[in-house]
Amino acid sequence: QVHLRESGPGLVKPSQTLSLTCTVSGGSISNGGFYWTWIRQRPGKGLEWMGYIYKTGSTYYNPSLKSRLIFSLDTSKNQFSLNLGSVTAADTGTYYCARGTEWQRTFDHWGQGTLVAVSS
Amino acid sequence: IQMTQSPSSLSASVGDRVTITCRASQTISSYLNWYQQKPGKAPELLIHTASILQSGVPSRFSGSGSGTDFTLTINNVQPEDFATYFCQQSYRFPLYTFGPGTKVEVK
Repeated sequence: QVHLRESGPGLVKPSQTLSLTCTVSGGSISNGGFYWTWIRQRPGKGLEWMGYIYKTGSTYYNPSLKSRLIFSLDTSKNQFSLNLGSVTAADTGTYYCARGTEWQRTFDHWGQGTLVAVSS
Repeated sequence: IQMTQSPSSLSASVGDRVTITCRASQTISSYLNWYQQKPGKAPELLIHTASILQSGVPSRFSGSGSGTDFTLTINNVQPEDFATYFCQQSYRFPLYTFGPGTKVEVK
């Protein structure tokens, strides 16, 4: 069974960079057919797809976040990471990593989520 | 593609039948998924491709629809079904978007 787990600081200061890592177990991120995805849920804003990184390192970002977002992959640790720059209070919320499937076009496995607050 | 859901919340009793509607701003064929989210937990996939139950999901859940209008039905609601339900379009890869959610509460 595939498991994903987010890790990172729960508090980030405004204008700084939010950095999170997702550790995957029970399956390799180097396997094809999956898009390693970040989704966030901000208070009162619903679920927002942020983007994905593929096993090759290719990325696709939500256009609304593209200028501030960088994803990376560490296949040796079976991890992928998110860096969101120039954060404001509007970036406060719960951040999920998830596995996107190519054939079903779903997010079939999710991490438990990590709450990040942006505050001075 | 914008997704809307109705109602935003509803109250039900154990044993009731519940129906949630999801509408897309343009046709999405059958590329519609449903997720269940309980407080403090991540969403879980219930149904994909409008009507196909994910493995392990009880048969009291069902989905239907195509084009722009979709429904999620829960027959004989159980205590563990009180949660928030989200639809998600998977038509426009990779810019998948979610509906705002429908909260199913205890009457």
